[in-house]
Amino acid sequence: DAKTTQPTSMDCAEGRAANLPCNHSTISGNEYVYWYRQIHSQGPQYIIHGLKNNETNEMASLIITEDRKSSTLILPHATLRDTAVYYCIVRVSNAGNMLTFGGGTRLMVKP
Amino acid sequence: ETGVTQSPTHLIKTRGQQVTLRCSSQSGHNTVSWYQQALGQGPQFIFQYYREEENGRGNFPPRFSGLQFPNYSSELNVNALELDDSALYLCASSSRIAGDNEQFFGPGTRLTVL
Repeated sequence: DAKTTQPTSMDCAEGRAANLPCNHSTISGNEYVYWYRQIHSQGPQYIIHGLKNNETNEMASLIITEDRKSSTLILPHATLRDTAVYYCIVRVSNAGNMLTFGGGTRLMVKP
Repeated sequence: ETGVTQSPTHLIKTRGQQVTLRCSSQSGHNTVSWYQQALGQGPQFIFQYYREEENGRGNFPPRFSGLQFPNYSSELNVNALELDDSALYLCASSSRIAGDNEQFFGPGTRLTVL
């Protein structure tokens, strides 16, 4: 699986959009971009994934650059409950593949 | 729908002992993966079970072993515990039918080795 690079930490004001970047310059054509988050003392939680088109669900939006070498996870209206470590992972989307977690970005949402 | 559950929540063992951690997968999920998360780091893949057989393994020694049962629940066994085995152990379940796109994690078992 390709390696990802994320900032170690970010702050965001409550109610504002949180934009979390991820670089994955060695991504292969069949690798998807996945985002998970881990709130303190809980297991990781799936957020969203995509291949090349932008994706949106009830939690977040995922913007992938045209060359697929980077992506941004957007939380449109961050709340205090969004304070967590956010992990960007690239992997082939078929059965049996493990998730390779890096260090993630620690997002702190402040009032 | 019942989520992924793990037991026990916390566990304290001493060096050299053996430990068994348990995981019940989410309803309808047939694949279980185990991860180790040391303090301040991301989870590291230990192994995955599908149809009661190990199906993929990370860089962990043989003293880490597992089982999957017909009801898809799973156990992680660690023999000859070392101090560095102290970590949060996470179980994740997914469905091969759904292509493993989304893995659902349990709350974890925190193991402390003294």
